[in-house]
Amino acid sequence: QKEVEQDPGPLSVPEGAIVSLNCTYSNSAFQYFMWYRQYSRKGPELLMYTYSSGNKEDGRFTAQVDKSSKYISLFIRDSQPSDSATYLCAMKAPGNTGKLIFGQGTTLQVKP
Amino acid sequence: ETGVTQSPTHLIKTRGQQVTLRCSSQSGHNTVSWYQQALGQGPQFIFQYYREEENGRGNFPPRFSGLQFPNYSSELNVNALELDDSALYLCASSLPTGTGNNEQFFGPGTRLTVL
Repeated sequence: QKEVEQDPGPLSVPEGAIVSLNCTYSNSAFQYFMWYRQYSRKGPELLMYTYSSGNKEDGRFTAQVDKSSKYISLFIRDSQPSDSATYLCAMKAPGNTGKLIFGQGTTLQVKP
Repeated sequence: ETGVTQSPTHLIKTRGQQVTLRCSSQSGHNTVSWYQQALGQGPQFIFQYYREEENGRGNFPPRFSGLQFPNYSSELNVNALELDDSALYLCASSLPTGTGNNEQFFGPGTRLTVL
């Protein structure tokens, strides 16, 4: 079993839809959670960074962490074609190595 | 503020050769991490450098090695290249892990093809 599981999709939605992206994890020691967006053949771009449980909102993006269920989500409101990309969840491994553990990534396509 | 830069953008090598990839960290960041991203997969942690020393390593063999320089830039060296080393190599810079800020900012990557 992978430490972080993420459905690779692809996920296709019409423009303006609300998108829900999810990851599950197995290690209850994870405390820091991140979402990255990666366009084709580019480096990942940090979208959201959260600590412990709860919600965080930034514009059209909302990140949720449910530590009791070991489940994190990213919601995108009013999705745009420019949101078409691969979305990677990541969690910081315990300790001081700075190691991030990534999910496989979900490919999202927003159709005009 | 200058972002993370990497060079070269693309590289083609043959099996058994050696390669050096370079990374310049974002201004104000003194910690650099390297990741390998195979096609269709999430990035895998190779190692992190802080104060010119390796500060943690993932499940990669010793032929993957690195350096960090006084200006915080870094190199990733891979010896005895294998076909499976073909991937996107990503560098990420951050503040030191002990500061409590764990945000890592990635460069555009170097795409390595091993033939």
